[in-house]
Amino acid sequence: KQEVTQIPAALSVPEGENLVLNCSFTDSAIYNLQWFRQDHGKGLTSLLLIQSSQREQTSGRLNASLDKSSGRSTLYIAASQPGDSATYLCAVSTNAGKSTFGDGTTLTVKP
Amino acid sequence: NAGVTQTPKFQVLKTGQSMTLQCAQDMNHEYMSWYRQDPGMGLRLIHYSVGAGITDQGEVPNGYNVSRSTTEDFPLRLLSAAPSQTSVYFCASSLGTGLNQPQHFGDGTRLSIL
Repeated sequence: KQEVTQIPAALSVPEGENLVLNCSFTDSAIYNLQWFRQDHGKGLTSLLLIQSSQREQTSGRLNASLDKSSGRSTLYIAASQPGDSATYLCAVSTNAGKSTFGDGTTLTVKP
Repeated sequence: NAGVTQTPKFQVLKTGQSMTLQCAQDMNHEYMSWYRQDPGMGLRLIHYSVGAGITDQGEVPNGYNVSRSTTEDFPLRLLSAAPSQTSVYFCASSLGTGLNQPQHFGDGTRLSIL
């Protein structure tokens, strides 16, 4: 059974700092990995999707990497801003469409 | 461009009552799924569908039924609500399971069972 772990569970940083969020998974037979953002009381917003054949994806200040063989992904946020404060979730999917989510990392960026 | 629409946003039920959570998408997505989100347990897959007329069970299907009569709609039914079903429910859709397309989520339904 696939298990997804995100460390740390919570992170607080001052504005402007670069930071890394971690995601690990136990079964490397994945189809893709997706990073989401969830604001308090809201739904999930897709940030980046990395296909199993890819090593990284970038969007603006966000960069996600994938090392499928070691079962790890990182989400790098450059020059963090208070508006980045949210919970970040990673999810791995099989080619049958099933997704397994981590519990998320709650990020607070202090002005 | 509505995306994924869930109704209602909030609902309180008594134990034993039944209800249907509605989910509709206007993006012509083949794949739709239902998750529940509980503190400390993340999102867990309840049921999913890879196309109209096709549904399958996820990780926690007990107590829930689904049907997919159209591409647009994927309702989730609670036949006899139990307090353990108190949760936030999310519906998601994507273009196709084999196309490496991102999942799009609705804003959720917050359900309390008394």
